Amino acid sequence: EAGVTQFPSHSVIEKGQTVTLRCDPISGHDNLYWYRRVMGKEIKFLLHFVKESKQDESGMPNNRFLAERTGGTYSTLKVQPAELEDSGVYFCASSQGVSQRGHGYTFGSGTRLTVV
Amino acid sequence: GDSVTQMEGPVTLSEEAFLTINCTYTATGYPSLFWYVQYPGEGLQLLLKATKADDKGSNKGFEATYRKETTSFHLEKGSVQVSDSAVYFCALNSGGSNYKLTFGKGTLLTVNP
Repeated sequence: EAGVTQFPSHSVIEKGQTVTLRCDPISGHDNLYWYRRVMGKEIKFLLHFVKESKQDESGMPNNRFLAERTGGTYSTLKVQPAELEDSGVYFCASSQGVSQRGHGYTFGSGTRLTVV
Repeated sequence: GDSVTQMEGPVTLSEEAFLTINCTYTATGYPSLFWYVQYPGEGLQLLLKATKADDKGSNKGFEATYRKETTSFHLEKGSVQVSDSAVYFCALNSGGSNYKLTFGKGTLLTVNP
């Protein structure tokens, strides 16, 4: 069974540009989550999809970030325009049902975003 | 709110040394506690977990005991190997209908031969 796949693995862009990160969850996993680790800080929750619907986007830092999951399969996270403070590692995770008490997550390897 | 504090790294050890990575937490309710590990070039992987006080999670020679009285979940291994070199994250979920994980900042461990 393929795991959670994220690409690109690394992205270096200039401030003001647009970047789109992609996450392919495990096949059949309806729940998809994005987390982010800004350098030197904690990994923090960004948002949660159930199929194509956003259930919780309380962790999204501002309106420069747009997440989509058309068709309930893969998800994209677009940053437009990118700022220096957006640099970090963006993790995607999926679970078959909604994670109960934090269990059941499968994480991807992350996308390292560097904004220069 | 919920928070996790883990010891700052980096930690550098020689092979076969004893490892402790401290983790303390603040949470409402009765949290589940986790250690995740990220090996170079790989995703976050669940290493071990504990769901109630005095539970001991263990995997791959690593252990951590859920200590409610000290709100701690320290990670230990008696004899580390070069292959244990990775970033280790302590995390919690505060339960109820909450599915989110709250992570610490991570500790980079390097084991030298």
